Amino acid sequence: SQKIEQNSEALNIQEGKTATLTCNYTNYSPAYLQWYRQDPGRGPVFLLLIRENEKEKRKERLKVTFDTTLKQSLFHITASQPADSATYLCALGDSSYKLIFGSGTRLLVRP
Amino acid sequence: GAVVSQHPSWVICKSGTSVKIECRSLDFQATTMFWYRQFPKQSLMLMATSNEGSKATYEQGVEKDKFLINHASLTLSTLTVTSAHPEDSSFYICSAMLAGVSYEQYFGPGTRLTVT
Repeated sequence: SQKIEQNSEALNIQEGKTATLTCNYTNYSPAYLQWYRQDPGRGPVFLLLIRENEKEKRKERLKVTFDTTLKQSLFHITASQPADSATYLCALGDSSYKLIFGSGTRLLVRP
Repeated sequence: GAVVSQHPSWVICKSGTSVKIECRSLDFQATTMFWYRQFPKQSLMLMATSNEGSKATYEQGVEKDKFLINHASLTLSTLTVTSAHPEDSSFYICSAMLAGVSYEQYFGPGTRLTVT
């Protein structure tokens, strides 16, 4: 069955550093991958989408890479700020439009 | 743009009663809406896919007679939890998208259901 793993349950970094979150998957060939931010008690907020034929996408301080050979996506937040503290979810999708979510990585940015 | 609302944001009900949750896309027409459930410290689990004007498609293990979904218009989908039990207590989240145009899903703020 399909499996998605986000490398760590929690990541603790100093303000100003780059946060790197990992999403690995098995038994699946996604057409695209999405990253979401979720704050406690709230719904996920869409951040970035990257398609299977794209290697990298950027949006302001965010960068996502997608390696379909390694079956891995990396999500980077540069110049991190305490306001970036949240849980980040990766989600895989295909032509059915259904998303399969990873369990999330809780990021804490220390001032 | 791409705002999705849910109502109510939280609800407490007695065991055996039914609860209806609304999901609205406020500034776009959603051909497809999804309903998810999230238990504490777990990720989102897809319950069903709802297309406007047609019957919802439920994921394996989700009881369609218990979780009634109606998608009557391009901006509104409802989830009714019938004969609720304490184990149905969870965080219910909807999302909406414009299928065929883009893959992005936009999520509502969620509804916290507590069944006593």
